[in-house]
Amino acid sequence: AQKITQTQPGMFVQEKEAVTLDCTYDTSDPSYGLFWYKQPSSGEMIFLIYQGSYDQQNATEGRYSLNFQKARKSANLVISASQLGDSAMYFCAMREDNQAGTALIFGKGTTLSVSS
Amino acid sequence: EAQVTQNPRYLITVTGKKLTVTCSQNMNHEYMSWYRQDPGLGLRQIYYSMNVEVTDKGDVPEGYKVSRKEKRNFPLILESPSPNQTSLYFCASSSGGAHYGYTFGSGTRLTVV
Repeated sequence: AQKITQTQPGMFVQEKEAVTLDCTYDTSDPSYGLFWYKQPSSGEMIFLIYQGSYDQQNATEGRYSLNFQKARKSANLVISASQLGDSAMYFCAMREDNQAGTALIFGKGTTLSVSS
Repeated sequence: EAQVTQNPRYLITVTGKKLTVTCSQNMNHEYMSWYRQDPGLGLRQIYYSMNVEVTDKGDVPEGYKVSRKEKRNFPLILESPSPNQTSLYFCASSSGGAHYGYTFGSGTRLTVV
């Protein structure tokens, strides 16, 4: 079974609009971290935001926020006021707090296209 | 500047010719990993290392070797590359466990013909 599921292969949004990228995860470990990375067309992996499993509040980093619903095992990324430079592939990822937790487990990604 | 440096950025090689992709980090991180990225599959872990001389297989280790003789370096070795190893490769490092993210290198785009 997939540990990280991103159900939206592609998303389209207009500049200045908000967009939500979906991510659900599967783990039985009570301690884990959830991460979002951005990969622009140039190829590098850019860390955006982190949410810990014990965090009571949703994480925020500038225009990025993480809508963390622990009971539903979802960790959706919300980008407010989209910009043209937000066009990229976005990956949701998880690390579990066990021996195998060295691995960052990735979803298959969502391609976001922002138009003017 | 804190970074993970991997070389080369681009490499075209022929089947069976041994190659090494180098990776170095300057953040004194204990954890290092290699990933490959293929269209529609996301990123998959090849090998990881939790410290010097401690390495282990990830999800897709076949055809690859690694070593961790020094804390900062974690080279990826393809002894006999094959076309199915054509991919985008990332080296990454992390300072801790589950609640620490990985810092990624710029990637190496490898083509095996």
